[in-house]
Amino acid sequence: GAGVSQSPSNKVTEKGKDVELRCDPISGHTALYWYRQSLGQGLEFLIYFQGNSAPDKSGLPSDRFSAERTGGSVSTLTIQRTQQEDSAVYLCASSLTPAASTDTQYFGPGTRLTVL
Amino acid sequence: LAKTTQPISMDSYEGQEVNITCSHNNIATNDYITWYQQFPSQGPRFIIQGYKTKVTNEVASLFIPADRKSSTLSLPRVSLSDTAVYYCLVGDLYSSASKIIFGSGTRLSIRP
Repeated sequence: GAGVSQSPSNKVTEKGKDVELRCDPISGHTALYWYRQSLGQGLEFLIYFQGNSAPDKSGLPSDRFSAERTGGSVSTLTIQRTQQEDSAVYLCASSLTPAASTDTQYFGPGTRLTVL
Repeated sequence: LAKTTQPISMDSYEGQEVNITCSHNNIATNDYITWYQQFPSQGPRFIIQGYKTKVTNEVASLFIPADRKSSTLSLPRVSLSDTAVYYCLVGDLYSSASKIIFGSGTRLSIRP
């Protein structure tokens, strides 16, 4: 079946603008994750959704970042008043079972965000 | 969760066997070891997971000694397409996925 998809693939915005990044997880996957990856760096955990439970937002770097997951499927990551340091690749992943650290995560191709 | 340490980069040649070692001195009894592979401009992809001794699949083998304080990912007969970043992760069934740390990984470069 189809893998995790993300849109847009690239986004260029001006400092101070809001952006929305979209993730479509694999159908039937109950857990959804967002990560951020700066150039040449590892992945930084942002947030994850597990079924109908409250999301774990412990990785969000500031209150400018928020995310929602509608109907247990599609998720949107919103960054308000973007800053140049927000420039990075934003990766989404999903897993079949409720999120635990041993679950296999299936990643999307990412959205490359550039803030001018 | 246990912290992992792996080499920043490695170089090898096509047809060689490549072994990437990851140290996890503080691994806990319930922890599993998982490796992911990330190609340029793509998200990471699961390669292999193990708890002890040896695990093998169609892509790689994972060797874990008895004390489990390290693990070695073995890639047989590498090709140019194995050039990627390889991440070693440690975690258990009960810890939240938010505690997983991907780190900077090992950047593997394969030359002709």
